Amino acid sequence: DAKTTQPPSMDCAEGRAANLPCNHSTISGNEYVYWYRQIHSQGPQYIIHGLKNNETNEMASLIITEDRKSSTLILPHATLRDTAVYYCIVRVSETSGSRLTFGEGTQLTVNP
Amino acid sequence: DAGITQSPRHKVTETGTPVTLRCHQTENHRYMYWYRQDPGHGLRLIHYSYGVKDTDKGEVSDGYSVSRSKTEDFLLTLESATSSQTSVYFCALKPGNTDTQYFGPGTRLTVL
Repeated sequence: DAKTTQPPSMDCAEGRAANLPCNHSTISGNEYVYWYRQIHSQGPQYIIHGLKNNETNEMASLIITEDRKSSTLILPHATLRDTAVYYCIVRVSETSGSRLTFGEGTQLTVNP
Repeated sequence: DAGITQSPRHKVTETGTPVTLRCHQTENHRYMYWYRQDPGHGLRLIHYSYGVKDTDKGEVSDGYSVSRSKTEDFLLTLESATSSQTSVYFCALKPGNTDTQYFGPGTRLTVL
């Protein structure tokens, strides 16, 4: 799996958009970008994933640059409950069930 | 909600005693995983299962065994608990047609 780089921490005001960056300059053509988050004392939670195109779901949007070397997770209207560690993971999508590799992630703190 | 529960949620035990943690799912998914999470190490895979009676080792399997006698339950056993096994243990499952893992709420184990 390709290595990712994320800032260790970020702050965001409640109600504003939170933009979390991830660098993955060694990503291969068949590797997807996945985002998970972990709220304190809870299990990690899947957010979104994508290959080339931008993706949006009810939780967030994922913007992937054209060269695919970086991406941004966008929480459009952050709430206090979005305070969590956010993990960017790059891996080949597969159905054989290999493990996820979580790095250090970004601690996002949403302030009132 | 992926229908995944873990029991117990908290346990304190003494060195040398056997401990079994249970992961239960209601969705009939094939792939299940046990991870442990420790400060400075992130999430590390202990064992995983790709079907009833089909299991394999992860990166930190020493001191742990698993069993999956039916689809809905994946058991993690510490035959003789040690203080180094004090950790938070997360179970996860993966629907067969995706590469997304869904995590349980975790079990906090303390070995004195």
